[in-house]
Amino acid sequence: DTAVSQTPKYLVTQMGNDKSIKCEQNLGHDTMYWYKQDSKKFLKIMFSYNNKELIINETVPNRFSPKSPDKAHLNLHINSLELGDSAVYFCASSQGLISSGNTIYFGEGSWLTVV
Amino acid sequence: AQSVAQPEDQVNVAEGNPLTVKCTYSVSGNPYLFWYVQYPNRGLQFLLKYITGDNLVKGSYGFEAEFNKSQTSFHLKKPSALVSDSALYFCAVRTTNTDKLIFGTGTRLQVFP
Repeated sequence: DTAVSQTPKYLVTQMGNDKSIKCEQNLGHDTMYWYKQDSKKFLKIMFSYNNKELIINETVPNRFSPKSPDKAHLNLHINSLELGDSAVYFCASSQGLISSGNTIYFGEGSWLTVV
Repeated sequence: AQSVAQPEDQVNVAEGNPLTVKCTYSVSGNPYLFWYVQYPNRGLQFLLKYITGDNLVKGSYGFEAEFNKSQTSFHLKKPSALVSDSALYFCAVRTTNTDKLIFGTGTRLQVFP
């Protein structure tokens, strides 16, 4: 009964490959996010979707493309992986917008290592 | 620029003693402030938030935080630390007129038996 679940949890891949990370939430939330945590534990938002519509798109390389097929899912596809993409990627969700006082709930993370 | 700062990389405290993890912020308007905890190899868990109302906010696992507008601070506190509280703690603030949360750099709390 995990609230925000991501797969895979661990991913080791070679430079130049294309990979996807999937995320699903069973909380009935309208808003979903992708965050990146680097090796120094610094957390930064990448994307946010509200009701399947992209509302936040930080300065992230075009190689990163989110896709939200429905409100419960937000997948992250990464093309032409580079060494610097190695990080932990967190999916998260909230009932609605943070500006309405909502709380973000995080998944367990996907550890991506590019070799 | 809007920001949130956690001035201590690490806080060490003996079990049973009170703990404080510091957070200061810089945003215009009324801040929305959050605390999260991250255990090793895990996701972030929500502890508490301040949106409006009482400046003292109580949260999960016995933690509380005090919003101080004049000092632009939102320090996390617990009266009696447990060894199991040892983890990485993040303060976050919503940036003005956006729906983004920006996170501090994290403070590692180490509670010694």
